Amino acid sequence: QVQLQESGPGLVKPSQTLSLTCTVSGDSIRSGGHYWNWIRQHPGKGLEWVANIYYTGSTNYNPSLRSRVIISVDTSKNQFSLKVSSVTAADTAVYYCARGKLELRDFYAYDMDVWGQGTTVTVS
Amino acid sequence: SYELTQPPSVSVSPGQTASITCSGDKLEDKYVCWYQQRPGRPPVPVIYQDSLRRSGVPERFSGSNSGNTATLTISVTQTMDEAVYYCQAWDSYTGVVFGGGTKVTVL
Repeated sequence: QVQLQESGPGLVKPSQTLSLTCTVSGDSIRSGGHYWNWIRQHPGKGLEWVANIYYTGSTNYNPSLRSRVIISVDTSKNQFSLKVSSVTAADTAVYYCARGKLELRDFYAYDMDVWGQGTTVTVS
Repeated sequence: SYELTQPPSVSVSPGQTASITCSGDKLEDKYVCWYQQRPGRPPVPVIYQDSLRRSGVPERFSGSNSGNTATLTISVTQTMDEAVYYCQAWDSYTGVVFGGGTKVTVL
């Protein structure tokens, strides 16, 4: 059974850098075949995709967050991480990590089949 | 950037059919998936590649995608189906795109 678990500080001061880690169990990031994602959800709002990464280090970012976000992977620890710099109250959200798969059929198909429970980050 | 539009809310009576739409430019040229999210819980995948049900998802959930609109249909809706539903697609320029979510109320 594949499980993802987010970890990181629940409180970050404005202008600082938010750092989160997702630990994967039941699957090996190094085995390939999946992208590893961060998604966030502002209080009472919808889902916002932040970034994803492949085990090779290849990354994709939400264009609206690209300038402040770095996603990285540590295959030796079976973890991937997110850093968001210069945070403001607008970065207060529940942050989820999720496993995704990108397939090319007639067109590209991308979906996320395993999600972590989420971790709440407050910027204050 | 690519955008997906969903109605904010849908109401349905128990046992009836709920249809949740997701609109985007030439959406039929993309694959759409759907997630269900109950309060305080992470999203749960329901449908992928337009119409394929995830393991364990009841048969009353079905999906379709044609033209500019994808649709999640819940037939014989039950009170346990009350949740927010999100559509999602992949865009080569924008990456992963979510719709704004539709709250399904069963009353």
